[in-house]
This record gives sequence, C-alpha cells and structure tokens, in this order.
Amino acid sequence: AQSVTQLDSQVPVFEEAPVELRCNYSSSVSVYLFWYVQYPNQGLQLLLKYLSGSTLVKGINGFEAEFNKSQTSFHLRKPSVHISDTAEYFCAVSDARTSYDKVIFGPGTSLSVIP
Amino acid sequence: EADIYQTPRYLVIGTGKKITLECSQTMGHDKMYWYQQDPGMELHLIHYSYGVNSTEKGDLSSESTVSRIRTEHFPLTLESARPSHTSQYLCASSDTARWGLQETQYFGPGTRLLVL
Repeated sequence: AQSVTQLDSQVPVFEEAPVELRCNYSSSVSVYLFWYVQYPNQGLQLLLKYLSGSTLVKGINGFEAEFNKSQTSFHLRKPSVHISDTAEYFCAVSDARTSYDKVIFGPGTSLSVIP
Repeated sequence: EADIYQTPRYLVIGTGKKITLECSQTMGHDKMYWYQQDPGMELHLIHYSYGVNSTEKGDLSSESTVSRIRTEHFPLTLESARPSHTSQYLCASSDTARWGLQETQYFGPGTRLLVL
C-alpha cells in the first residue's frame, strides 16, 4: 500500500530565506506526485505535480520540487519565501498504473514565515 | 479556473440533527470526492463517485451517506450528527483520465462542521 511521510509538521522560516519541505513516499509501483497548498480558511490548491519526464517540476508562486526515484522523495523548495507563503502544505501520491485517480495525502507541513 | 463550491462554509449544530453538506461543480467532471480533514492532520477519503448513480465508500469509515443524481452535484448527508463528526469536509472533482495521465483534483473551500 502507498503511504506519504512529511517528517516536519511545522517549519518556521524567516522572510526571504530559502525553504525545503520534505516528502517521502512508499510505493513499489510507478507513482504520480503532487504538492497542494492550503491557505488559512481556504480549500486546497494544486502547487505542482509530477507525472513523467523531467524530474524537476516548477509550480506556481515560485515553488519547485524534485522527484528522486532512488530516494522515493519529492521535496518542495523555494529560494526566497514571502509572508504570503504561510500555509499548510500537503504532499500526495497516486498509483500511475491505473486510471482511478485516488490520491493519498501526507499529514501536512505547516510553514510559518517570520517577518 | 476551477469552479467547485461548497455550502455552508461553517456550520454549528446540535447533536442528533440531520445535516446535508452541499458540493457543486460547473466543470462537467465525472469524478467527485469527499475528504475529511481534522486540524493539522492528513486528508482521508470518505466517499467518491465515478459518475451519475455511482457512489463508493472511501478508506475512512464514515457514518455519512452521499448521492449522485446529477453530474454537477454531490451532497453529503449525516442523518444524526454527533460531536465525533466535528471536522472539516472537503469536496473535490476531477475529469476522466485521458491517455493514462492522472487528472488534477480540484478542491472546494471546505465546510467546517462543529457538532455540540
């Protein structure tokens, strides 16, 4: 069965500093990977996704993530964070073999940007 | 831009009441989902639907029920609300996968439910 681990439940970082949010998954099959963001009192919004091709994926708001198959990781990075990046970030995985797009979500990482 | 709506956004209700959480999407998506999310925790799939008259239970057991009479509408009902039902409920939809590619799920803003 697939599972997603986000080791850091909370990440405080100063404004304009770089940040990396870690995500590891367990799966014996090919996967699709996603990062979602949830701003306070809002629904989930897709940041970026990896389906195939280049392992470096660029998303919205200056975020990017790199798929590392050997380490089963999909860490999210941003070189310089802004106050408005304060939110909950969810990593998610799905089975690439099937057309049933059930997605398994990680527990989330709360990013707090400090002015 | 994705158009998926949930009402109400917030609901405080007493134990034993019947409630229906509404979810509508205007994108013509076949697939729709309900997730439950406790604060700071991961999402859990509680119901999904592949299309009209299709409903399935998800990974997390839930006392709620759903219906899919119309493509755009996927309401969730609790016949008798209890404090243990207090949570956030997120609705999502996605289009049928084409060419073997995963389709993005679009999420509504969520309904925060508090049962007293």
